[in-house]
Amino acid sequence: SQQGEEDPQALSIQEGENATMNCSYKTSINNLQWYRQNSGRGLVHLILIRSNEREKHSGRLRVTLDTSKKSSSLLITASRAADTASYFCATAGTHGSGNTGKLIFGQGTTLQVKP
Amino acid sequence: DTEVTQTPKHLVMGMTNKKSLKCEQHMGHRAMYWYKQKAKKPPELMFVYSYEKLSINESVPSRFSPECPNSSLLNLHLHALQPEDSALYLCASSQLGQGVRQPQHFGDGTRLSIL
Repeated sequence: SQQGEEDPQALSIQEGENATMNCSYKTSINNLQWYRQNSGRGLVHLILIRSNEREKHSGRLRVTLDTSKKSSSLLITASRAADTASYFCATAGTHGSGNTGKLIFGQGTTLQVKP
Repeated sequence: DTEVTQTPKHLVMGMTNKKSLKCEQHMGHRAMYWYKQKAKKPPELMFVYSYEKLSINESVPSRFSPECPNSSLLNLHLHALQPEDSALYLCASSQLGQGVRQPQHFGDGTRLSIL
């Protein structure tokens, strides 16, 4: 079952603007991950934030995690046309088969960055 | 270029055919995954292999049969598929971490069409 809900479902912005996507989940997590998927391609891992972390940065990406609200956000600053893609959050639970993390993906946000 | 290689990229088959999807990685990852992804939807986990042993089967119909011949290869054998099985099939791999669910590395998938 899918536990992640993302909003907005679709986002269209101009190049240079910032894009913010939100993710909510339902159960306790070990970590939360964000992935990007370009059209017709596989998913690319962007960033992982552990349950004891509140904020993490990677280049133009900033991720926050609020475990009390069971939510996370992904901020892309100074967006580029090449950032056009679908973005998924994925949660790794605290339970499961040993360390083979079962990821549960959110519904995704489709981002379009117009040049 | 992705570090997880999937073949073929496209596959069209009839409902009575038998075919196989292949996945290969040389990153030394000991966990490998099969996902199914429908258009505009998130990936859905099908199977997880840990140390070449099946550890998770998400109640997938028996017409899908996974196989992990060695630590670098993962196959998905297909037989008597239904039109609703048409989708993008993604393979992924990850390290087996202690306590932290590791990021997954995805291939670009096999686009499967069932006639």
